Formats: sequence, structure tokens, C-alpha cells
Amino acid sequence: DAGITQSPRHKVTETGTPVTLRCHQTENHRYMYWYRQDPGHGLRLIHYSYGVKDTDKGEVSDGYSVSRSKTEDFLLTLESATSSQTSVYFCAIQGGEYFNSPLHFGNGTRLTVT
Amino acid sequence: QQPVQSPQAVILREGEDAVINCSSSKALYSVHWYRQKHGEAPVFLMILLKGGEQKGHEKISASFNEKKQQSSLYLTASQLSYSGTYFCGTEDNNDMRFGAGTRLTVKP
Repeated sequence: DAGITQSPRHKVTETGTPVTLRCHQTENHRYMYWYRQDPGHGLRLIHYSYGVKDTDKGEVSDGYSVSRSKTEDFLLTLESATSSQTSVYFCAIQGGEYFNSPLHFGNGTRLTVT
Repeated sequence: QQPVQSPQAVILREGEDAVINCSSSKALYSVHWYRQKHGEAPVFLMILLKGGEQKGHEKISASFNEKKQQSSLYLTASQLSYSGTYFCGTEDNNDMRFGAGTRLTVKP
């Protein structure tokens, strides 16, 4: 299995609080992604990174920010959590260029915003 | 833009075959297929990189028709272990978009 770890695995937080999710990889892969998964929507891209300090927005980036200060860590921050951000969040890594190689997913973080 | 998958759900008996389709309104250069079991992370099945290319994984194979902008996943002689949700992924402006998924249930 690809070395990718997400933390925490579960989180319950209150509306309006900031939340940070962490994705850590041991594969030294260049590309890292944050997806959210909701029933009926499949996986939707929030942000991605193509290198240290190089990030870009995905299709559902509003209300989220990311940082990548080291190759191995990609952080996702919900600046002020809302109930609509209750979801399962998956991090993925990719070793090759663009989409010629598979994505490997972490085990996910289940976030509940009350 | 997300690719469109069909059907949304399918129920099979062990040993039966199924086809899952993935289509895009944009030109396709590659298609990924993943399977996700309940409560787990998606797991990579295969990538198709060239038009007309077919790949296989156990009794699961896929085709890619770039002219029709679609890919199909074929599950042959299904097993109980094939149950799960199948996703296709396609490139879109340097990121990957996934379909909404096809839930496959295989019954004894």
C-alpha cells in the first residue's frame, strides 16, 4: 500500500470554528489532492498541489484553504466550518506526471460540523 | 466538468456480467477506474491511456473510445468481492474529475 496517512480519522466540530486536516505521505510523490465525498456526488476536488508551495483550486474550493510547506505534508483548512462541510474528506497522492499514473487514496477523515 | 456514469446502481447474482459506462462532454486523453467498498478508500483498478485500448484486471476489463468520449468497464462472471461503488475519473484542466459512481451489488 502507498504510504499515505490522514489525521484525524474522525472529527466533530462546531459551526464557525476553524479545522485543519492533515495528509502525510512517505512516497515523495509530487502531486497531492484533497477530495470530499458526499452521497450522490462522488468525489469532488477541493484543492491540489503539484509541489512544495504550489497549489491550485479545484471545483469546490470555496471555504477551504491548503498549504504544502514540505513534500510529505498537505494540509486542508476549513476557515470557518459550516454544516455544509460535513463530509468525508480523502487525500490522494500521485507519483507520475499528470494522469499517467494512478491516484492512491488515504483512509479518509469523517468530519461532522454541528 | 464531471463525467457521467451509468447505470447509477446495478444488482447481480454471482456469475452474471455487468457493464458500467462513463462518458464525457469533453475530449478524453485518459480514463481511470476505481472501486470503493463501503467505509473504505477508493482503490485503483486501471488506467486507459490510448483510444481503443483495453485493459484487464482479474475478470474486470475496460475499453476506451476516444471518438465517442467514453469508456466502459466490463465485469465478467461477477464474484461477491466485486460489490462496491465504481468510479471513473477523467482529466479536466490539470485536475481529475470523478463520476458520481455506480453502486454494484453482487448477491449469492
